[in-house]
Formats: sequence, C-alpha cells, structure tokens
Amino acid sequence: GAGVSQSPRYKVAKRGQDVALRCDPISGHVSLFWYQQALGQGPEFLTYFQNEAQLDKSGLPSDRFFAERPEGSVSTLKIQRTQQEDSAVYLCASSLRDRVYEQYFGPGTRLTVT
Amino acid sequence: EDKVVQSPLSLVVHEGDTVTLNCSYEVTNFRSLLWYKQEKKAPTFLFMLTSSGIEKKSGRLSSILDKKELFSILNITATQTGDSAIYLCAVEETGGGNKLTFGTGTQLKVEL
Repeated sequence: GAGVSQSPRYKVAKRGQDVALRCDPISGHVSLFWYQQALGQGPEFLTYFQNEAQLDKSGLPSDRFFAERPEGSVSTLKIQRTQQEDSAVYLCASSLRDRVYEQYFGPGTRLTVT
Repeated sequence: EDKVVQSPLSLVVHEGDTVTLNCSYEVTNFRSLLWYKQEKKAPTFLFMLTSSGIEKKSGRLSSILDKKELFSILNITATQTGDSAIYLCAVEETGGGNKLTFGTGTQLKVEL
C-alpha cells in the first residue's frame, strides 16, 4: 500500500476486555515499531520487530501487552484485560532496515477504555 | 534515564511570523536527532540530524544540531496556517534497538 495503515481507527472497550490492534506496514519495510501516545504527550516506544523477530519489547508496560508479527509483515498488538490507563493512541511505524530513523507512521488507533 | 525536553510546550503566532522551537536531550549513546510534524494522528518525518553545525533545510523549515550543548532548534519562517501542528523531537540511540525517544512536543498554532 501507499502508507502504513492501522485498524480499527477507534476502539472503545470496557475495562477487562481484550483488544487487538492491527498494523499493515509499507510493503518491503523490514522494521516495524509500536508506540503508545497519551493525550498531550509524545509517542512512547513499546516494541520493535525486524521481520518476524521481536528484537526489543522493553517498552511494553505490563505482561498484559503482547505483540506479534508472525510472517514479517502485518503486526498485531494485543492488550488483555484492558485498564483505564491503557486509553491512548497506539501508533505503528515502519521503515527500511537501514533507515530506521526514517519511520513512517500510521494514523493510529485511539483506544478508550471505559 | 534518557530524556528529551521540548520548549515551548505551546505557541500561538500570526501568519508571516518566524518561530523557533527548541529540543534539548540527555541520551547515553546518541546517534541522531529527528524532527517530526504531527497533524491529527500520524507524525511525518521532517529532518534527521547527526552532525553539529550543519543546517538542514526544506523550504521554510530549517534545523540545526549542537552536540556539545545537547540541543537542536527547528525554525519556521513566514509561517502559514498550514504549519499549525505538534512538532515532535526524537532521539535515536546506538545499540538501543533502533527505538526513538520522543519529547512531549510543541503545539504550534498559526492564526490569520
């Protein structure tokens, strides 16, 4: 596709529900990143994939957060037993292997936990 | 702990004004500093800076890095209403798994 796409764009979940957020990176982009952006804050790193390998998951805030990219393309960020503090915009970004600084961001998924 | 601090947090100017946005950082293993423009949702890449004193320029936007004093500035001349956005500064580390550490951003509003 022409850019990074994410779905759904908006998600409302009741506290305790599980959610799954999808990211379709730009075709050919080896590197994929997930960020969490709270209102009025900059994006905060969650996790990073190179192809299907999750090379860094140091930013995942708890073991309720899980990300996968089984075939090295589409990625899913799953949040189990959602809490109100999980409410944020979840941004996905992708880049070429040797240009990880030039990350192209998707439009994000706004998650609201009620 | 690594830190990226942007100032001001918000700014309102009139069309035609020149603005300077600031970004200071404290990072253990600096590789590069990046500027993004965020309108609505997705940040879009503006500049990457790795060397001190070399100005990067794109139209009315320019940026420069000072690795001794650990800061960067983003200048926008002859501002237009379309420049209204959040401007994010981010730092990339070596050996840091390619992750970016972002500042909180500067919200710029350009009025007629």
